[in-house]
Amino acid sequence: EAQVTQNPRYLITVTGKKLTVTCSQNMNHEYMSWYRQDPGLGLRQIYYSMNVEVTDKGDVPEGYKVSRKEKRNFPLILESPSPNQTSLYFCASSLSGGAIIYNEQFFGPGTRLTVL
Amino acid sequence: GESVGLHLPTLSVQEGDNSIINCAYSNSASDYFIWYKQESGKGPQFIIDIRSNMDKRQGQRVTVLLNKTVKHLSLQIAATQPGDSAVYFCAENGNTGKLIFGQGTTLQVKP
Repeated sequence: EAQVTQNPRYLITVTGKKLTVTCSQNMNHEYMSWYRQDPGLGLRQIYYSMNVEVTDKGDVPEGYKVSRKEKRNFPLILESPSPNQTSLYFCASSLSGGAIIYNEQFFGPGTRLTVL
Repeated sequence: GESVGLHLPTLSVQEGDNSIINCAYSNSASDYFIWYKQESGKGPQFIIDIRSNMDKRQGQRVTVLLNKTVKHLSLQIAATQPGDSAVYFCAENGNTGKLIFGQGTTLQVKP
């Protein structure tokens, strides 16, 4: 089944404790992206990747890191989480890795993160 | 700056009626627009898209209209069903790889 998977689905952690949220897609998509969703603010892009070893900042990259060492995986790293990073996180992928994206993005099921 | 917004946070319609969800965007350079549906507890799901060289596109029970003159996008759902109840997001891509979402409209379908 073609899908985007994220792990963990739920995580409660404490301030400053490094964490990684994994994202994997099995559709051979070039483009992958991370979003956070907060009430009243909608979905905001954190980072995106056009292809392997190519990553770019979205609208809210502060406090996050990503890597794209292989096509299928795009982990989101929080080196020192803070309470304002409590949010619902979505990973997404799409086929196109070109400058113009005319392909739908497939979203994962979400990861609900709470930072105490 | 770039922004994508929806006119109404909540829309309530009677089952069987048509629904129209609106979206305004500010970046005149955006060339690709998408509507997503998000059900409770799930990730956004693609509904329909439209490129800037079109003004209308139809899918199954859904139609997207694009008015570039006033930078307005709308999603029309025909014969709205209870299963259509969800949050609907419009999104724009300005040829940069960045996808910008609106804040969402909650569609409530009354039986």
